[in-house]
Amino acid sequence: GQQLNQSPQSMFIQEGEDVSMNCTSSSIFNTWLWYKQDPGEGPVLLIALYKAGELTSNGRLTAQFGITRKDSFLNISASIPSDVGIYFCAGQLETGGFKTIFGAGTRLFVKA
Amino acid sequence: DGGITQSPKYLFRKEGQNVTLSCEQNLNHDAMYWYRQDPGQGLRLIYYSQIVNDFQKGDIAEGYSVSREKKESFPLTVTSAQKNPTAFYLCASSPPAGTGSSTNEKLFFGSGTQLSVL
Repeated sequence: GQQLNQSPQSMFIQEGEDVSMNCTSSSIFNTWLWYKQDPGEGPVLLIALYKAGELTSNGRLTAQFGITRKDSFLNISASIPSDVGIYFCAGQLETGGFKTIFGAGTRLFVKA
Repeated sequence: DGGITQSPKYLFRKEGQNVTLSCEQNLNHDAMYWYRQDPGQGLRLIYYSQIVNDFQKGDIAEGYSVSREKKESFPLTVTSAQKNPTAFYLCASSPPAGTGSSTNEKLFFGSGTQLSVL
């Protein structure tokens, strides 16, 4: 089946640094989604992308839908301690929650 | 406030015991889902339901059962047949398809239930 490769698995950064993470697939997707999960909580949607090449921002977060439709990137600028958590990418070829494929997540640690 | 409520937050299962995890939503969403999360892995779909009185197996349904008697509720039972039940379980819902708002691909999650084996 379809799989998403998310990297890096974990990141240890200093407060104020910028962060980049990405997700790749051997298959194309029509929708890319980025979620953040705080420790002990459920994931929360950060950004949704619907078109190849699309670049969307949400505050200090910026995500891009890759031109090939097989990858997506998430950048966080000027990180702060509350950015700590697990960031998941998710892709959909067809619309529908049950068709969502999740990456394994990038665990972000921010040192104040 | 509208949202998804999962209970309990922590649950312990004895060998041979069935346990039920509760999930309630007041978002008026038609579709509901159960995911399993293991450390270092992505979310894996256990069961989903797109409408009341109907549900479908996901990728890892063995050892689990669900019911959908009400739109608001989608309980998950972890049966004794599930030999490795220790995990973080997440319930989610999504708006109806065809709403025209491009929201039906977005999942709204509860805060999870951590299930452990005694």
